[in-house]
Amino acid sequence: DTAVSQTPKYLVTQMGNDKSIKCEQNLGHDTMYWYKQDSKKFLKIMFSYNNKELIINETVPNRFSPKSPDKAHLNLHINSLELGDSAVYFCASSQVIQGPQYFGPGTRLTVL
Amino acid sequence: AQTVTQSQPEMSVQEAETVTLSCTYDTSESDYYLFWYKQPPSRQMILVIRQEAYKQQNATENRFSVNFQKAAKSFSLKISDSQLGDAAMYFCAYRRETGANNLFFGTGTRLTVIP
Repeated sequence: DTAVSQTPKYLVTQMGNDKSIKCEQNLGHDTMYWYKQDSKKFLKIMFSYNNKELIINETVPNRFSPKSPDKAHLNLHINSLELGDSAVYFCASSQVIQGPQYFGPGTRLTVL
Repeated sequence: AQTVTQSQPEMSVQEAETVTLSCTYDTSESDYYLFWYKQPPSRQMILVIRQEAYKQQNATENRFSVNFQKAAKSFSLKISDSQLGDAAMYFCAYRRETGANNLFFGTGTRLTVIP
């Protein structure tokens, strides 16, 4: 009965590949987010969706494309992976746009 | 632009003692929210405590309390009666009250609890 879940937990792949990370929340929240945590532990917002609509898109390469099939899911697809994409990616959700955010366990992506 | 600064990359505390983690932020907004998140080795980000800027009273959650100084733009976290399970990275975060709702994080403070 995990509140915010992400799959996979670990992802190791070769440069140039395309990969997806899935996120699901069972809290009934309207808003979902993707954050990236780099090797220095710095966390930065990538995307935010509210009711399946994109509301924040920070300066992220076009290779990153979020997809929200419904309010409970926000998946992150990454094309043509690069070495610099190696990081931990966190999904989060909040009940409403201004509500506190609850994070998933993170997905450690390693690009070789 | 909003920035959040945590000037202590690492801190340590003896078990059962009290420790204070510092955080300062920069904003031109008058209404906003501040948060402390805990990230244990499991990597999960766990909300510890939050403070609304319009509230003068400092937030408290069991052994965790904050010292919110709005004029000084300071938001420190005090952990009382430290426990081994408190060992983690602690991140201070800021969010505007209206408009873009993303969190701006500080660079984190690694807390070690010494038995």
